[in-house]
Amino acid sequence: DIQMTQSPSTLSASVGDRVTITCRASQSISSWLAWYQQKPGKAPNLLIYKASSLETGVPSRFSGSGSGTEFTLTISGLQPDDFATYYCQQYNSYPWTFGQGTKVEIK
Amino acid sequence: QVQLVQSGAEVKKPGASVKVSCKASGYTFTSYDIHWVRQAPGQGLEWMGRINPSGGSTSYAQKFQGRVTMTRDTSTSTVYMELSSLRSEDTAMYYCARVSYCSGGSCYHLYYWGQGTLVTVSS
Repeated sequence: DIQMTQSPSTLSASVGDRVTITCRASQSISSWLAWYQQKPGKAPNLLIYKASSLETGVPSRFSGSGSGTEFTLTISGLQPDDFATYYCQQYNSYPWTFGQGTKVEIK
Repeated sequence: QVQLVQSGAEVKKPGASVKVSCKASGYTFTSYDIHWVRQAPGQGLEWMGRINPSGGSTSYAQKFQGRVTMTRDTSTSTVYMELSSLRSEDTAMYYCARVSYCSGGSCYHLYYWGQGTLVTVSS
């Protein structure tokens, strides 16, 4: 199975900050990586697919990059609505696997 | 519009089984895989498996092999996830989710999600 490792697990930031979350795969997944945002009590919401493609309707302050085994999610100019937990997920091969999540908290 | 509507919350005793349903609407049911993802209280997302509603083929996470069964009913556009030999660690919110699209035999990332079904395992 492909293991996905996210860092950090928790991130404290202020409104307006630039935030970067890293996701590493235990083997190459090409660009088959998605990023999701989840708020308490809600289902996950797709932000980024194929490592760097912004899903329709997602604010442009969100961006993704990387390929192979190293990926990043960047939020440029953190907004109050962005305080949530973020997950990466590989869909290169079954079993699909998620990172353990990164909680973005208010500093 | 695409909708996935899941069955209601369940309370089960250890050792029992639970069967959660996910009724799809707003698209051609047999054209997109449905996946199941669970989330224990305060924990992260865990992929359980998927089913292709067209032919019924499945893929399961090794962790659940032998305990999980995913089936579908094309007449009602409904997918089912049954988990047996329940233990307290299976207490979680269970989500069904549809892939965004499929092409050339492969399917890509999850886009549409059900509202979740809370399964509580307690004696």
